[in-house]
Amino acid sequence: QVQLVQSGTEVKEPGASVKVSCKASGYTFTTYGITWVRQAPGQGLEWMGWIHPNSGATNYAQGFQGRISVTRDTSISTVYMELSRLTVDDTAVYYCVHFGYRYEVNYWGQGTLVAVSS
Amino acid sequence: EIVMTQSPATLSVSPGERATLSCRASQSVSSNLVWHQQKPGQAPRVLIYGASTRATGIPARFSGSGSGTEFTLTISSLQSEDFAVYYCQQYNNWPRTFGQGTKVEI
Repeated sequence: QVQLVQSGTEVKEPGASVKVSCKASGYTFTTYGITWVRQAPGQGLEWMGWIHPNSGATNYAQGFQGRISVTRDTSISTVYMELSRLTVDDTAVYYCVHFGYRYEVNYWGQGTLVAVSS
Repeated sequence: EIVMTQSPATLSVSPGERATLSCRASQSVSSNLVWHQQKPGQAPRVLIYGASTRATGIPARFSGSGSGTEFTLTISSLQSEDFAVYYCQQYNNWPRTFGQGTKVEI
């Protein structure tokens, strides 16, 4: 079965960077894109970025341009999302998601809490 | 980027009643629109993709319609498990964008 397993809770100080991993299993890793979505406490969903593991092609939300990087390591079927210059507003649960080709399926990671506090 | 606007922000409905949620895009997204449902403490899940196609396992009481810039999610007869927050999201253009959500409450 398809599974996305994310790394654990992170606590960071303002100005630091965080790198969250998402290990995929149960399907051919290079076939489908992986999306990153976050949700701040009590807030809505925010689309952050996407990567196609085969080509490494990426797309990012405008609000994160310049401080987000999504990469992959095909040898271990893992996608990474790194966010730099953290502020308290980056406190959120971060999800990786496999949406198939056109959202006909959806598999969510368990979410990773990133807490930013001084 | 395309701005997705949902209305209303909160919808108060009684069990068994019909609920109609709206989503508007700032420019055409064709039929590349997905509806997500999120219950408290849970990850979201896809209900509808392609504006009107139910995802696997989604009950027939959920239906989606629309194309271009105007979309509707209808829940024909609300069940207790349907009280949740619903988000629309376009996948026609990069970057993808979500609406701000509609909370369906009792």
